Amino acid sequence: EIVVTQSPATLSVSPGETATLSCRASQNIGPSLAWYQHKPGQAPRLLIYGASTRATSVPARFSGSGSGTEFTLTISSLQSEDFAVYYCQQYGIWTTFGQGTRLDI
Amino acid sequence: EVHLLESGGGLVQPGESLRLSCVGSGFNFQNYGMSWVRQAPGKGLEWVSAITGGGLSTYTADSVNGRVTISRDNSKNTLFLQMNSLRAEDTAIYYCVKDMYSGSPGPFEIWGQGTMVTVSS
Repeated sequence: EIVVTQSPATLSVSPGETATLSCRASQNIGPSLAWYQHKPGQAPRLLIYGASTRATSVPARFSGSGSGTEFTLTISSLQSEDFAVYYCQQYGIWTTFGQGTRLDI
Repeated sequence: EVHLLESGGGLVQPGESLRLSCVGSGFNFQNYGMSWVRQAPGKGLEWVSAITGGGLSTYTADSVNGRVTISRDNSKNTLFLQMNSLRAEDTAIYYCVKDMYSGSPGPFEIWGQGTMVTVSS
């Protein structure tokens, strides 16, 4: 099983700043990585797939990069509605989620 | 609009069974793989099981393998998850998710609102 590790566990930033979230896969998965945003009481929302392709209606301030085993989600000009838990998911070999990064004000 | 609606959750005792259902609308159901993903209280997301668009192939996480069976009825746009020998650690919100593609799981494009399963005596 491919293990996916996210860092940091919690990230505290201020509105208007840039947040950088990391995701590492235990094996080479090429570009087969997705990012999700999850707010309390809501269903998770797909943000990024294929490591860097934004899903429908996702604002341009969300960007993804990386390939192989190291991936990054960058959220620029943070807005109040961006504070949530973010998960990465590898789907290169079966599928597994990371443990999540909580983005706090 | 694409929509997924789960049902069938509830409170059960350890060792009992439960069948979850999910009805999809707003898309050609048979063309897409579907999965179940769960979130235990205070924990992260865990993929449970997946089925291809035509229903010919299924995939199940090791943590539940042998206790859950995923299936689908494309004539009724419905996805199922049969869960047997339930344990306390199966307590979670179970999400029905639509895959972006027809084959193996991921990425998960659309999520339902979830149905809560509680296993407790």
